[in-house]
Amino acid sequence: EDQVTQSPEALRLQEGESSSLNCSYTVSGLRGLFWYRQDPGKGPEFLFTLYSAGEEKEKERLKATLTKKESFLHITAPKPEDSATYLCARRGGSQGNLIFGKGTKLSVKP
Amino acid sequence: GAVVSQHPSWVICKSGTSVKIECRSLDFQATTMFWYRQFPKQSLMLMATSNEGSKATYEQGVEKDKFLINHASLTLSTLTVTSAHPEDSSFYICSASLLGEQFFGPGTRLTVL
Repeated sequence: EDQVTQSPEALRLQEGESSSLNCSYTVSGLRGLFWYRQDPGKGPEFLFTLYSAGEEKEKERLKATLTKKESFLHITAPKPEDSATYLCARRGGSQGNLIFGKGTKLSVKP
Repeated sequence: GAVVSQHPSWVICKSGTSVKIECRSLDFQATTMFWYRQFPKQSLMLMATSNEGSKATYEQGVEKDKFLINHASLTLSTLTVTSAHPEDSSFYICSASLLGEQFFGPGTRLTVL
C-alpha cells in the first residue's frame, strides 16, 4: 500500500533552533507532494506543493525540498508562533484527493 | 483568494438525529470537493469525493447511506450525517480544488451525545 510517513512524530525546539521535518513516500509517479500547517481545532493551511525532484520552495522561515523518495520541511530560526502540526500529503486517486501522513507536532519554546 | 468556509463550526446533537454540514468555496468555483474526517491525534482520512451534478464517490468502509453528500452547485457541497451515533463524533473537514491546489475549510467539530 502506498504510504506517506512523517518523522519525527513530535519535535520540540528552542526559539531560533533550526531543524528539519521529514516526509517519505512510496509511490512511483508522484503527482504532487503537499505541505500543510494545522493549528489545533482548525483546518489545514496550505503551505507548498512540490512536483519534481530537486524542486524547492520557500515561505518566510520555511523551505520545502523534494527528492525522489522524500521531502523535507526546513525551519530556520523558528519562533513560538511556528508551533503547529505540519502535515505532508501526496495526491491520491484519479480525482486528486490527498493522502496524508500522520503529521509532525512542532513546539517552539521561547 | 481560495477561501473555503464550513458551517457550522461545531455542533452537538443527540444520538439518532441527523446533522447537516455545509462546505462553500467563497471566491472560486469547485467542480470537485472532498470530505475528510479527523479523529483526535490522527491525520485526515478521506471519506468521499463530491462532484457537482453527480453522485459522490465514497471510500471503502464509509457508509453512503449514513453520510449523505450533495453537491448541488459549483460553490456548495453538503454532508449530512444521518442517525448519528457517538462513534460519529469527529472533526469533519472539507476541501476544494483550484488550479491543482487543494484548499481546506476550517472544519466542523461534531459531538454526538
